[in-house]
Amino acid sequence: AQSVSQHNHHVILSEAASLELGCNYSYGGTVNLFWYVQYPGQHLQLLLKYFSGDPLVKGIKGFEAEFIKSKFSFNLRKPSVQWSDTAEYFCAVAVYSGGGADGLTFGKGTHLIIQP
Amino acid sequence: DAGVIQSPRHEVTEMGQEVTLRCKPISGHDYLFWYRQTMMRGLELLIYFNNNVPIDDSGMPEDRFSAKMPNASFSTLKIQPSEPRDSAVYFCASSPGGLAGYTFGSGTRLTVV
Repeated sequence: AQSVSQHNHHVILSEAASLELGCNYSYGGTVNLFWYVQYPGQHLQLLLKYFSGDPLVKGIKGFEAEFIKSKFSFNLRKPSVQWSDTAEYFCAVAVYSGGGADGLTFGKGTHLIIQP
Repeated sequence: DAGVIQSPRHEVTEMGQEVTLRCKPISGHDYLFWYRQTMMRGLELLIYFNNNVPIDDSGMPEDRFSAKMPNASFSTLKIQPSEPRDSAVYFCASSPGGLAGYTFGSGTRLTVV
């Protein structure tokens, strides 16, 4: 079975700082990779996803992630964070199932706090 | 589209009572997923359906939990009897499959006292 590790459980940054959140997965086959954001009291919203092709994926709100297959990693980055980026961030993986959809396996999440 | 709709948003019940959570997926999405979110265990996949048929229920914690999908536009997750350790936020998600990804509902916050 696949698993997802997010190394930073809590991250505190100042506005305008650069952000990188680590995500590693364990699965030997083809996977689809996702980053979701959960603002306080809200549901999960998709930031970006990787299925195939260019390993550098750009998402909403200025976020991007790079898939490095050799390292089983899918780190999330943003060059300059804003106070409104304060939220919980989840990395998730789904086993590639052709045209279907498999359940997502989530990491434990990273709680990001941006200080004004 | 209204997105994935879950009801109720909040549920407080006493231990031993039956609880039913409801989900309406996005029209045309063939896949429906139930997740549970707790501080201790994070987000866990409980069960998912494809074309109303349960595909994988290995995440359902015990026999007190059951899920049904009687038609393409409605699913329920039932806990009977409920226990305080069932307190969590339960999310429903749907997907058309392929490259489209998953859309989550707003969740049901369940508190069992």
